[in-house]
Amino acid sequence: AQKITQTQPGMFVQEKEAVTLDCTYDTSDPSYGLFWYKQPSSGEMIFLIYQGSYDQQNATEGRYSLNFQKARKSANLVISASQLGDSAMYFCAMREGAGGFKTIFGAGTRLFVKA
Amino acid sequence: EPEVTQTPSHQVTQMGQEVILRCVPISNHLYFYWYRQILGQKVEFLVSFYNNEISEKSEIFDDQFSVERPDGSNFTLKIRSTKLEDSAMYFCASRRPEAYEQYFGPGTRLTVT
Repeated sequence: AQKITQTQPGMFVQEKEAVTLDCTYDTSDPSYGLFWYKQPSSGEMIFLIYQGSYDQQNATEGRYSLNFQKARKSANLVISASQLGDSAMYFCAMREGAGGFKTIFGAGTRLFVKA
Repeated sequence: EPEVTQTPSHQVTQMGQEVILRCVPISNHLYFYWYRQILGQKVEFLVSFYNNEISEKSEIFDDQFSVERPDGSNFTLKIRSTKLEDSAMYFCASRRPEAYEQYFGPGTRLTVT
C-alpha cells in the first residue's frame, strides 16, 4: 500500500509568490518523521526540512515551512517568496519507527516558477 | 561543508557483470543508506546500514545485492549479476546518530546494456 501520496504531478507558481505542495501519509506507528527533499534538474537530492511526529510546532527552515496536520495525516510544504531557482522536483518522504531506518518517498511534484 | 561523495558518477556495464558502487559518507555520520531512482520515477529505499550490519532492507534488495563498509570511510553497494532493470541512479545517503535528516550523495548513474 502506498504510504506517501503526492497528488500534484506538476505545479506552477509566479516568482515571489508562495506555493504549497501537498503530501499525505499513512502509518500506524506513533513514532515517525516526515521529510521534504528537492531534486533539481542536475539530479542531486537536497534535504529541505524535517518534522517529527511528536514535534509540537511546525518545522521551518528559511523560506520553507511544513504545515503539519497530524489528525489529517498531511505534511504540506510551503515555499514562500518563490525564486526561479526553486524550479525542481520535490519529494515528500517518511521514516517509520523510533529507529527510523527505512525511508519511503512519494512520487514527487514538479514545481515550475515563472518569471 | 562536508558532503557525501560517490564514485563513479556514471557506470556502464554489460548484463550479467558485477558492479561495485562506492560512497564516502560524511565523517561523523553512523547511519548509511542506498536508494535507487529509475529514470523519471520515485526514489526507492534499498538498504540501511548501522554498526557494521544491515538494519533494514527492502524487497528490491535481494541476493544479488550486498553492502559493505570495507574500511572507516567507504561504503559500497555491490550488484553481483546486473540485469537490464538495474539501470537507475543509485544514491548513497548518511546521517548523524542524533538527527533524522539524511544527506545524499550526487548519485551514480548505472546503465546496464
